[in-house]
Amino acid sequence: QLQLQESGPGLVKPSETLSLTCTVSGGSISSSSYYWGWIRQPPGKGLEWIGNIYYTGTTYYNSSLRSRVTISVDTSKNQFSLKLSSVTAADTAVYYCARVVRGWYDALDMWGQGTMVTVSS
Amino acid sequence: EIVLTQSPGTLSLSPGERATLSCRASQSVSRSYLAWYQQTPGQAPRLLIWGVSSRATGIPDRFSGSGSGTDFTLTISRLEPEDSAVYYCQHYGSSTWTFGQGTKVEIK
Repeated sequence: QLQLQESGPGLVKPSETLSLTCTVSGGSISSSSYYWGWIRQPPGKGLEWIGNIYYTGTTYYNSSLRSRVTISVDTSKNQFSLKLSSVTAADTAVYYCARVVRGWYDALDMWGQGTMVTVSS
Repeated sequence: EIVLTQSPGTLSLSPGERATLSCRASQSVSRSYLAWYQQTPGQAPRLLIWGVSSRATGIPDRFSGSGSGTDFTLTISRLEPEDSAVYYCQHYGSSTWTFGQGTKVEIK
């Protein structure tokens, strides 16, 4: 059974860089059938797509975050990562990693449990 | 970029009743890149419907999706207490994934 697990600091200072890693277990990140993505959810609010990556390293970013976001993949570790620079309190959210199924019209079929990241000094 | 608008904001119904949730796109959705998710408090979203009307693995048949163009619907035919959740529609297009703002379903 595929599982995704987010990890990283729960507290980040304003203006610094938020860094999270998603570890994929029970399946290969190098499958041509999937993308891998990051989504966030501020407290009490809805879902916001951040970006996706293919195992080849091809990336897709939300245009509103593009200047601050970098998503990378490490196929040897079966992991992909998110870096969000110059964070502010508005970046406080639960961050989810997820799998996108290319054959299912790019729906997100598997999600990590999410990790809360607070931006505060 | 397509904007998805969901209505109503909140739906309050009794067990056994039918719930109809709407998702309207600002432009016509090409092909079938429309999905629905269920999120209960403190949990990650769960995929219910992909490709407008296909149920994801393990999803009960009381959940169904329909629609085309700019108007899409998630129907829960007979509400169960565990269906109390927030439901989101999601679209993929032009290398961008977009979510609606969500509809909260409350069970009386």
